[in-house]
Amino acid sequence: GQSLEQPSEVTAVEGAIVQINCTYQTSGFYGLSWYQQHDGGAPTFLSYNALDGLEETGRFSSFLSRSDSYGYLLLQELQMKDSASYFCAVSSGGYQKVTFGTGTKLQVIP
Amino acid sequence: SQTIHQWPATLVQPVGSPLSLECTVEGTSNPNLYWYRQAAGRGLQLLFYSVGIGQISSEVPQNLSASRPQDRQFILSSKKLLLSDSGFYLCAWGRDGEKLFFGSGTQLSVL
Repeated sequence: GQSLEQPSEVTAVEGAIVQINCTYQTSGFYGLSWYQQHDGGAPTFLSYNALDGLEETGRFSSFLSRSDSYGYLLLQELQMKDSASYFCAVSSGGYQKVTFGTGTKLQVIP
Repeated sequence: SQTIHQWPATLVQPVGSPLSLECTVEGTSNPNLYWYRQAAGRGLQLLFYSVGIGQISSEVPQNLSASRPQDRQFILSSKKLLLSDSGFYLCAWGRDGEKLFFGSGTQLSVL
């Protein structure tokens, strides 16, 4: 089966940088993605890594190490609106199966 | 552009009653479709996914079932709801597992 581990909560100061880690165990791994979810809302896609290395999209970057079964999401220049839950998710089983982690609740403080 | 519709937004049902949640996608064909459940403050639990009409993969043994009668329609059902079925149900679509697009969700309370 699949298992993904993330820290449950992270607190960071507005304007700072925060890193959210994700370790996974899965068979037939294809890629790691990240989603943001505000309270009461649906998850929205942030980024995806299929190969080792760093992917950058504006203030958000995501990293993957396939050999270590590890990835992280990096958020720069934190804003209050970044307060949300962040989920990593692995694609496996022929791309189609997408399993989510337990989520990290990020609180940005002034 | 593609859109995903999920209804109702909220639902209150008594224990033992049936359930039917519907999800439809517009603007694309042959999408992969997913049902997730989220308990309050918790992660997303994959319930079912489908790669085509009539093709359903079940991830968690339970009293829920899913069907895909049409290419862009995904239905989640139960014959008899349990208290433990309460949660936030999310439908999603995608192409290759890289990026999923979610519906607005259904908050189900079983009393």
